[in-house]
Formats: sequence, C-alpha cells, structure tokens
Amino acid sequence: GQNIDQPTEMTATEGAIVQINCTYQTSGFNGLFWYQQHAGEAPTFLSYNVLDGLEEKGRFSSFLSRSKGYSYLLLKELQMKDSASYLCAVRDNNDYKLSFGAGTTVTVRA
Amino acid sequence: ETGVTQSPTHLIKTRGQQVTLRCSSQSGHNTVSWYQQALGQGPQFIFQYYREEENGRGNFPPRFSGLQFPNYSSELNVNALELDDSALYLCASSLATRPASYNEQFFGPGTRLTVL
Repeated sequence: GQNIDQPTEMTATEGAIVQINCTYQTSGFNGLFWYQQHAGEAPTFLSYNVLDGLEEKGRFSSFLSRSKGYSYLLLKELQMKDSASYLCAVRDNNDYKLSFGAGTTVTVRA
Repeated sequence: ETGVTQSPTHLIKTRGQQVTLRCSSQSGHNTVSWYQQALGQGPQFIFQYYREEENGRGNFPPRFSGLQFPNYSSELNVNALELDDSALYLCASSLATRPASYNEQFFGPGTRLTVL
C-alpha cells in the first residue's frame, strides 16, 4: 500500500520562502512528483525527482531522499499567485499510477 | 497543441443512476489515467488505459469502468451511483512508448459530479 503524508496548511508572506515536506511509505518507488492545484482547476506539473538530491527550476526546487522516504518542495520569493494546493505524488514500480498525498494548502499573504 | 479536455464540466445525478464522463487526450498522447478527487483530498487513481486496453487499476469497485478509443479519447462510466461518488473526476494523458515507461501526466480540468 501507499502512505503519503504532507502538512494540511501553511501560511507565508509575499516574498518569503516556504518549504513543504512530504514523507512516504510505499510498496514500490519509481519517482516522486509535485503538482500545483489552484482551487477548481486541474493539477499542473511542477517537478519530478527519481534520484536523491535537489532539482531546481526557477523559484521552485524539489529535494528527494529515497533512504528516508522524504521529499520537500521549496518555494522562493513567494507571490500571491502561489496560493494554491501542492500535491506530493509517488509513482510505484509498475509505472502506471500515481499515489497522491492529501495536498498542502499554501496561503500567501501580503 | 491542444491540451486535455473533459466534458461535462459539472453534472448532477441521483443515487442509483449511471453516468458517463468523457476525456480527450492531449494531441499525440496514447495513455489516459482517471482519478477521483474528493473535496480536500488528493486524487485517487481509478485506472489507466494504454492503447485501448486497461493497464492497471486502483481500489475501485467494478461499477467503475472505462474505455479508450482508437483516437485515444476515453470514457469513465460509473453505474449504480452512490452519494460517496460525489467528487471531481480528473483524467490525465501522457505519452508512453510501452506500458511501463516514464511519462509525465497532463491533467484535464475535471468533471464535478454531485450525487443527490
């Protein structure tokens, strides 16, 4: 089975940095994804990690430690438009499905 | 390049009825996955279709069924609707060169189903 945990809510100030943690216990592992989902909209792809380490893409970075079953998404220079739900998802060995956490709602305040 | 589209946007049904949701994959994609997202939760995997065949299934009962057509569009059918089936149904398309390969999934906007 899959167990993916992430905090329910986080609040930060515009221009600040926020780190969203994700821990997972899964029967198989073949990559971890982060998605952003604005209310009422489809999830959009942010990052993908399959090897340990940090992947940086503009203001967003994602880190993975497979031995610890741990990932984080780092959002820098927060903007109001970053207010959204951030979903951590693990792909299993069969490659055909993503198992999602419940999502972290980030609220950016002026 | 056309993105993933779904229809209808919203739907209201009553318990016991049947519903069909539709998804058009992004151009060039051959794989479609369906997810159910309850309010305040992450998406839950229902099943995936690759080249018109079911390629994997999550923990959903048989009354959830699907189809993929030669043009790679897809349908999700739910029979004997229950109140707990009320959710956002998302489809995601991807390009896979074989059933098990890396593929980024692109999500459609979803269909909001309400069962009364």
